[in-house]
Amino acid sequence: GAGVSQSPSNKVTEKGKDVELRCDPISGHTALYWYRQRLGQGLEFLIYFQGNSAPDKSGLPSDRFSAERTGESVSTLTIQRTQQEDSAVYLCASSLSISTYNEQFFGPGTRLTVL
Amino acid sequence: AQTVTQSQPEMSVQEAETVTLSCTYDTSENNYYLFWYKQPPSRQMILVIRQEAYKQQNATENRFSVNFQKAAKSFSLKISDSQLGDTAMYFCAFTKLYNFNKFYFGSGTKLNVKP
Repeated sequence: GAGVSQSPSNKVTEKGKDVELRCDPISGHTALYWYRQRLGQGLEFLIYFQGNSAPDKSGLPSDRFSAERTGESVSTLTIQRTQQEDSAVYLCASSLSISTYNEQFFGPGTRLTVL
Repeated sequence: AQTVTQSQPEMSVQEAETVTLSCTYDTSENNYYLFWYKQPPSRQMILVIRQEAYKQQNATENRFSVNFQKAAKSFSLKISDSQLGDTAMYFCAFTKLYNFNKFYFGSGTKLNVKP
């Protein structure tokens, strides 16, 4: 079956522009997670969704970052007025639910480069 | 707060030999899950092995096994009979039990398997 997909795989943008990163989770997975991975570092948790709801937005680095999910499916991470420090790989993962342990399945990530 | 520390940025091992990757963590929780993830150059994060803290028996998955020392808050990964395909970044991760909305990752260890 299809895994988690993310688009675009690579994105180069100029400082100050807005970008949208897309995540398509595995069908039926109600939980969805976004992470940021800076070069040579581990994964930094950004936000999670249970269904279409994101109860805790405290992991988002600044108010330039926002995320939404519709139809318990696709999620979009938006970064407004991008800065060079936003350059990183953004990973999305999904799992059946957050209420019990279920394996997270990761997408291949979007590599964002802000010039 | 939960923290995960991987003190070995990079390691090398000869093909067919055994290597151990270290991970320590800090938490006040008594029940939690620990994970090792593999990230090859394709960027796709893959779950290698999982350990529930309430289980005393160390988890094993084929050539991969862990040494879980709860009192020491240590969770090392042993890879036996190393193969070239094991070359990747390895991340240790933690999540609280019954609260699978946030995962904490270490900074990773780059493993090079040499022929």
